[in-house]
Amino acid sequence: SQQGEEDPQALSIQEGENATMNCSYKTSINNLQWYRQNSGRGLVHLILIRSNEREKHSGRLRVTLDTSKKSSSLLITASRAADTASYFCATDAGNQFYFGTGTSLTVIP
Amino acid sequence: GAVVSQHPSRVICKSGTSVKIECRSLDFQATTMFWYRQFPKKSLMLMATSNEGSKATYEQGVEKDKFLINHASLTLSTLTVTSAHPEDSSFYICSAIGLERDRGLAGGPEETQYFGPGTRLLVL
Repeated sequence: SQQGEEDPQALSIQEGENATMNCSYKTSINNLQWYRQNSGRGLVHLILIRSNEREKHSGRLRVTLDTSKKSSSLLITASRAADTASYFCATDAGNQFYFGTGTSLTVIP
Repeated sequence: GAVVSQHPSRVICKSGTSVKIECRSLDFQATTMFWYRQFPKKSLMLMATSNEGSKATYEQGVEKDKFLINHASLTLSTLTVTSAHPEDSSFYICSAIGLERDRGLAGGPEETQYFGPGTRLLVL
């Protein structure tokens, strides 16, 4: 079941701008992952950050994790129209995955 | 809110047997269901997309004859791992997309995705 929350629910930006989305969760975790989903398609794994890491980079993606606040953020820099998708965070608590509700990102050309 | 269930939550089986995992949308009709597998690196990998009444669309590298998917109704999709082997041991999770009324900006129905709790398979 989904126990995470993401905000904003929807985000619309101009191409070239940065997009930031946040994820909060409730339980202690082993790691947190971010996924992307295009309309009608399945999830695609973007990046994983472990509970003992605070920041991670992958290309234009930057993820932070604050375990004291039980929150994470995903930053997409220099956004492109092709980045338009829904983005989900998922927390791995060992026994089960918990997904956030997702942020719908629209990048306007 | 809408719920997706999976059954069983855990299963242990002998090598060579087949295992069926059910994914049900409990209070909404799922137009599309997805099946994922969790690999040792802890990321989910999309296995297949299942639409009611049609054949599933498998991702590259996923054996269709090994992982049989049947989406018989708008509330049920099944994944059968045939002739399971120890390397099939994994965590399998489904998600379902359906219409939820009054969630859209204009008050109309909006597609929402819900995830099942997952099924842990151990093949001995």
